[in-house]
Amino acid sequence: DVKVTQSSRYLVKRTGEKVFLECVQDMDHENMFWYRQDPGLGLRLIYFSYDVKMKEKGDIPEGYSVSREKKERFSLILESASTNQTSMYLCASSLPGLAGENEQFFGPGTRLTVL
Amino acid sequence: RKEVEQDPGPFNVPEGATVAFNCTYSNSASQSFFWYRQDCRKEPKLLMSVYSSGNEDGRFTAQLNRASQYISLLIRDSKLSDSATYLCHMNYGGSQGNLIFGKGTKLSVKP
Repeated sequence: DVKVTQSSRYLVKRTGEKVFLECVQDMDHENMFWYRQDPGLGLRLIYFSYDVKMKEKGDIPEGYSVSREKKERFSLILESASTNQTSMYLCASSLPGLAGENEQFFGPGTRLTVL
Repeated sequence: RKEVEQDPGPFNVPEGATVAFNCTYSNSASQSFFWYRQDCRKEPKLLMSVYSSGNEDGRFTAQLNRASQYISLLIRDSKLSDSATYLCHMNYGGSQGNLIFGKGTKLSVKP
């Protein structure tokens, strides 16, 4: 079974803090993704990576950066957290190919609250 | 421009009912289509892929209508355990990053 794990289920941070969300997958997938999910807005792609050190912006990259130093790990960084970044963050991975071409396996999510 | 439309519901149906959802899309370049299921407070999980010829998995049937630009999901003999939100997902091909999820349709199956 593919397993995607995220470092925290719940996180509370203060405005202006630097926040790291970590995601690890154990199936040697090339593609990894970060989404946020908000009521009424659905799942929106923040960034994805198709290889180590490679990254592409998704639909809403502003205020976020990512890091992929190892194939199994994809980190989402909020350089200076703001209250409008309060959300559920979901990581996913998939086999190689164009993003969205193959089944994505999701982690359990991190609910981030920025006060 | 990427746009996907789903009726948010909720669809409230009795056990045993047949229910169908559609997902319309605006970009004719869409190539890969999927239905995901998301239980309350859980992550999305793949329910089924949608092929040009349509596909069936037990009580679930997925179809693609390229001419009218929509995909559909039909659930027969609904079970209580089918209660969830159903998300459509597609890839537009071309360059990286061309993917989108619908906002989901909520299904509630009642006894």
